[in-house]
Amino acid sequence: NAGVMQNPRHLVRRRGQEARLRCSPMKGHSHVYWYRQLPEEGLKFMVYLQKENIIDESGMPKERFSAEFPKEGPSILRIQQVVRGDSAAYFCASSPPGTTGITQYFGPGTRLTVL
Amino acid sequence: TQLLEQSPQFLSIQEGENLTVYCNSSSVFSSLQWYRQEPGEGPVLLVTVVTGGEVKKLKRLTFQFGDARKDSSLHITAAQPGDTGLYLCAAVHTGGFKTIFGAGTRLFVKA
Repeated sequence: NAGVMQNPRHLVRRRGQEARLRCSPMKGHSHVYWYRQLPEEGLKFMVYLQKENIIDESGMPKERFSAEFPKEGPSILRIQQVVRGDSAAYFCASSPPGTTGITQYFGPGTRLTVL
Repeated sequence: TQLLEQSPQFLSIQEGENLTVYCNSSSVFSSLQWYRQEPGEGPVLLVTVVTGGEVKKLKRLTFQFGDARKDSSLHITAAQPGDTGLYLCAAVHTGGFKTIFGAGTRLFVKA
């Protein structure tokens, strides 16, 4: 059973470009969470999604950031018009139905560098 | 705002020593998780504690959840270089779905 997959593992963008980060949850998992981690810091919650629904986006910046988890395909975290401060590691986690937040399996992360 | 404070922030010890790291909060949580994260990788879940006073053992690691469910500790016996990593505690935000993480304890075990 494959784990949570994220791609790309590394992404370099220039200021003003768009970044698209993809996350495929573990098989059978219907809950997806996105986190951001700055160097030498813990993870900061961004958004929690279920298939086709955003459940909690209280950690998402109000502008430029959006997330989706369509019925088919991976979850996407989209950052428009990136700025240097967006440089960070972005982690996705998934959990099976009925274990909201308690049992999360993390992907390897996407390291975004904004030049 | 619910916060998780971890201490120490950094710990460097010799192989074979014992150590304890702490995770404290002023809030009560229904459960608390411990993760280990290695450089360039995502966090890996070590344990979930649910009941106040609960103690769980995972080989040389012992996890304890405080009686009041506000704090937790992780004790490692006879540390090995393979234990090196970032240890994170996490808890689900009361009444919601958001998981909050502590800033972590960075452990380095020297051979």
